[in-house]
Amino acid sequence: QVYLVESGGGLVQPGGSLRLSCAASGISFSDYYMTWIRQTPEKGLEWIAYISATGNTVDYADSVKGRFTISRDNAKKSLYLQMNNLRGEDTAVYYCARGGEYHIYWGQGTLVTVSS
Amino acid sequence: DIVMTQSPATLSVSPGERATLSCRASQSVSSNLAWYQQKPGQAPRLLIYGASTRATGIPPRFSGSGSGTEFTLTISSLQSEDFALYYCQQYNSWPPYSFGQGTKLEIK
Repeated sequence: QVYLVESGGGLVQPGGSLRLSCAASGISFSDYYMTWIRQTPEKGLEWIAYISATGNTVDYADSVKGRFTISRDNAKKSLYLQMNNLRGEDTAVYYCARGGEYHIYWGQGTLVTVSS
Repeated sequence: DIVMTQSPATLSVSPGERATLSCRASQSVSSNLAWYQQKPGQAPRLLIYGASTRATGIPPRFSGSGSGTEFTLTISSLQSEDFALYYCQQYNSWPPYSFGQGTKLEIK
């Protein structure tokens, strides 16, 4: 059984930072691209970043480029999203998902709220 | 960026009937199109990829068609568990791989 479990969400002030983690089990983590996707009621689902299996290739949506950093530790079967200079519009449920194109497996999501 | 537009925003259908959901891309995405189902409080669930290939475990009442800019998800005989939100996603042109805004399928 495949599990992706996100953690690290919470309430943060504008301009603050958070680091999200995604722990994988039941998959050959190091074989797959991984992606972070977020969701809000207003904007729906938004693809925000992905990383190649080895970590050598990353890419970001313009909305987060320069503020967010995606990384992974294949030995720990973990994916990360370092989020800096957070804004109100970053408030969302953040999902990690397996794959760099379409996504068979998703985590349950972690809520990030940016508010003073 | 490619904009994905889904229609209608809300679709009311009776159980047992057929539902047809549409997704249009602002430019060609070839067959690089996926459909997802989402229920309240849950993550999206992959239904279709490659525009028409059902994901593992997806019942045959779900079918996808189309290529280029026009796509359709058809649910042939609606079951109670099918009433949910549905999203399309293109993965032809990156970044970003964009999603549609969703169609809510509700019980008539």
